Amino acid sequence: DAKTTQPTSMDCAEGRAANLPCNHSTISGNEYVYWYRQIHSQGPQYIIHGLKNNETNEMASLIITEDRKSSTLILPHATLRDTAVYYCIVRGPNFGNEKLTFGTGTRLTIIP
Amino acid sequence: DTGVSQNPRHKITKRGQNVTFRCDPISEHNRLYWYRQTLGQGPEFLTYFQNEAQLEKSRLLSDRFSAERPKGSFSTLEIQRTEQGDSAMYLCASSLGSGVFTDTQYFGPGTRLTVL
Repeated sequence: DAKTTQPTSMDCAEGRAANLPCNHSTISGNEYVYWYRQIHSQGPQYIIHGLKNNETNEMASLIITEDRKSSTLILPHATLRDTAVYYCIVRGPNFGNEKLTFGTGTRLTIIP
Repeated sequence: DTGVSQNPRHKITKRGQNVTFRCDPISEHNRLYWYRQTLGQGPEFLTYFQNEAQLEKSRLLSDRFSAERPKGSFSTLEIQRTEQGDSAMYLCASSLGSGVFTDTQYFGPGTRLTVL
């Protein structure tokens, strides 16, 4: 699985959009980008994933660059409950790539 | 609440004791995973099951660790002769296991183990 690079920490004002970047310059053509977050002392929570098209769900949007070497997770209207560690993970297709390889993630703090 | 439950949520034990954790996955999820997370680090993969078959084990899973999923539903993770270095959060996740290309894992709340 390709490695990812994320900033160690970020702050965002409550109500503003939080944009979390992730670099994955060695990503292969069939590898997906997944985002999870972990609120203090809880298990990781799935947010979104994508291959090459931009994706949106009720939680967030995922923007993947055309060359797929980087992506951005967007939380459109951040609330205090979005304070968490956010993990960007690159993972191959289903069979033979079952495990998730977490890095240390980005600690996002939402400021009132 | 993802539907994955883990028990107990907290366990304190003395060094040398055996401990067992239980994970109940989301109903009808064929795959079940165990991860371990130490302070300040992301979760690390330990092992996973496809139904009752244990298909992959990390080298982190020493011979003191054993995991089972006897009927393809709940799973147990046992640690024998616990050491202080085993202190961590033990996370369980499950997935459908039937996706053609992707298979999203959903995590439980974890069991926090403290070895004194």
